[in-house]
Amino acid sequence: GAVVSQHPSRVICKSGTSVKIECRSLDFQATTMFWYRQFPKQSLMLMATSNEGSKATYEQGVEKDKFLINHASLTLSTLTVTSAHPEDSSFYICSARWAAEAFFGQGTRLTVV
Amino acid sequence: KQEVTQIPAALSVPEGENLVLNCSFTDSAIYNLQWFRQDPGKGLTSLLLIQSSQREQTSGRLNASLDKSSGRSTLYIAASQPGDSATYLCAVLDSNYQLIWGAGTKLIIKP
Repeated sequence: GAVVSQHPSRVICKSGTSVKIECRSLDFQATTMFWYRQFPKQSLMLMATSNEGSKATYEQGVEKDKFLINHASLTLSTLTVTSAHPEDSSFYICSARWAAEAFFGQGTRLTVV
Repeated sequence: KQEVTQIPAALSVPEGENLVLNCSFTDSAIYNLQWFRQDPGKGLTSLLLIQSSQREQTSGRLNASLDKSSGRSTLYIAASQPGDSATYLCAVLDSNYQLIWGAGTKLIIKP
């Protein structure tokens, strides 16, 4: 199957700083990628759909100025959590589809202290 | 609005048993259904993808079925092993090309 690589797997940052998470499709091109957030013991919550060469589409309740998404190439999408606060601590996962099948990155555990 | 439900929420069985995880969805207009595995603190691994025109898919000890008309899918795990312990998630790709998720079944296989 296709491979989606996400980096970093873990990051700890100070409150008020920004953190960038990368999501790469390694062996296929993805015009669309998806960013999810997962709270403990809960299922995935779609945050936004990242579109190559255009603006991301954010789900209701997700602050686009807080979670900046850039999809500059067919194999890379980035999520930047700006001015991070402890409540942004969570598990973030990216996904891309190939032939209508969804593949996921390894996830990023963000801890804001 | 498509809704996906997984039953049970948690399951604990002795090693070696065969088991079935259930997934139901409310709208039969789907493109496909996927079963995933998630280990604690990890991303998701795709286990099986069933297209809307298919009835089942098999991979090793895993067999997934799909009954679109009744809105049901099952994931059958044969001869369970402690390494099968994980959370299993199902998701349907709906008519809007959105992935709709179940809440998952947490599976524990006791040695």
